[in-house]
Amino acid sequence: DQQVKQNSPSLSVQEGRISILNCDYTNSMFDYFLWYKKYPAEGPTFLISISSIKDKNEDGRFTVFLNKSAKHLSLHIVPSQPGDSAVYFCAAPNAGGTSHGKLTFGQGTILTVHP
Amino acid sequence: DVKVTQSSRYLVKRTGEKVFLECVQDMDHENMFWYRQDPGLGLRLIYFSYDVKMKEKGDIPEGYSVSREKKERFSLILESASTNQTSMYLCASSPPWGEQFFGPGTRLTVL
Repeated sequence: DQQVKQNSPSLSVQEGRISILNCDYTNSMFDYFLWYKKYPAEGPTFLISISSIKDKNEDGRFTVFLNKSAKHLSLHIVPSQPGDSAVYFCAAPNAGGTSHGKLTFGQGTILTVHP
Repeated sequence: DVKVTQSSRYLVKRTGEKVFLECVQDMDHENMFWYRQDPGLGLRLIYFSYDVKMKEKGDIPEGYSVSREKKERFSLILESASTNQTSMYLCASSPPWGEQFFGPGTRLTVL
């Protein structure tokens, strides 16, 4: 049961254009979402998050949008740069008092930004 | 600067060997996690620990065990390595709720 899904395994964009990475979830109890970025041979690093009380959170070139009714979130990168080429994971904390900080991750989307 | 370190970046082992992967964090975090990352499957949780000597199974615990004798250290053990355990192994730590901080990963190859 994949509760967090990233249906696009890969995305290719031109430098300077917008990158849009999508994520869908099935558990309506999720109330906080995170995006992580991972370079090859490195561990994931936290990028940006959003609480369910918001529908948008912006940090520099990165903006995350949340559509609760559609159970969908997206990460926008504008403008895209070659250094943004990486795997992007969306994640949500497991709900419930015994979750102990566990996160459920999507499958990841490989972003390639061409110069 | 927060830090999670893993004992090896690359490891090659033979089928049937016992393998130890070590993870140390310096943030005094309660929670520690072991994941494996495989193409198209994302990050899958193997085991996690929310306190010293406490552990819980994740989504794919079969063939693995863990040990947490000290708060800062969380070990993953492959009792008898098999080729289907060839993967990237990632350790993470976190406070009781929120962002997880990851180590650099160990690329394990089992021949």
